[in-house]
Amino acid sequence: DADVTQTPRNRITKTGKRIMLECSQTKGHDRMYWYRQDPGLGLQLIYYSFDVKDINKGEISDGYSVSRQAQAKFSLSLESAIPNQTALYFCATSDSRVPTGELFFGEGSRLTVL
Amino acid sequence: KQEVTQIPAALSVPEGENLVLNCSFTDSAIYNLQWFRQDPGKGLTSLLLIQSSQREQTSGRLNASLDKSSGRSTLYIAASQPGDSATYLCAAANQAGTALIFGKGTTLSVSS
Repeated sequence: DADVTQTPRNRITKTGKRIMLECSQTKGHDRMYWYRQDPGLGLQLIYYSFDVKDINKGEISDGYSVSRQAQAKFSLSLESAIPNQTALYFCATSDSRVPTGELFFGEGSRLTVL
Repeated sequence: KQEVTQIPAALSVPEGENLVLNCSFTDSAIYNLQWFRQDPGKGLTSLLLIQSSQREQTSGRLNASLDKSSGRSTLYIAASQPGDSATYLCAAANQAGTALIFGKGTTLSVSS
């Protein structure tokens, strides 16, 4: 099983619908991140969380919200999806106890908003 | 604001060739620089991580260098193989280590 698991892997929805993407990890890491990737572009940081009570906005947080339900779970919500939120979404984790700051990524969730 | 640029955007080489992928960043105050591999429709796999105090890291046929003063990092792939075909992304971590800024990637195609 993957250390960082994202669900769903693929989702097609309509404009205005509420969507939740979930991420769970078995690595025991305290830090979790949500990134968005658009075709031909690099990854952009949406939100990050350094522990259950710590949530921070990234570069492109507008239109998104997150919830850190437990150390191992970090969910991304689109309250009212719009077509330009069609993208590949990645969850990532890191361990603050490891000085290198290396990130570990999930397989991605492909979201299409019609 | 940190900006990360990767050149070229795409590269095609025959099998066996040695090659260099380039990454430049505008703010030299970085915590580390990471190189990732991404296969089509897949997640990112960490290849090499260079701490800000280091000059290079090696793993098998891969060697990554870091020159903070010039804002550059290179990923050297020796004796390329068709299985190396993928998109390679570099990312610079800010000095607080709180965020990674990614380049757009170099898509490598190695033909047999």
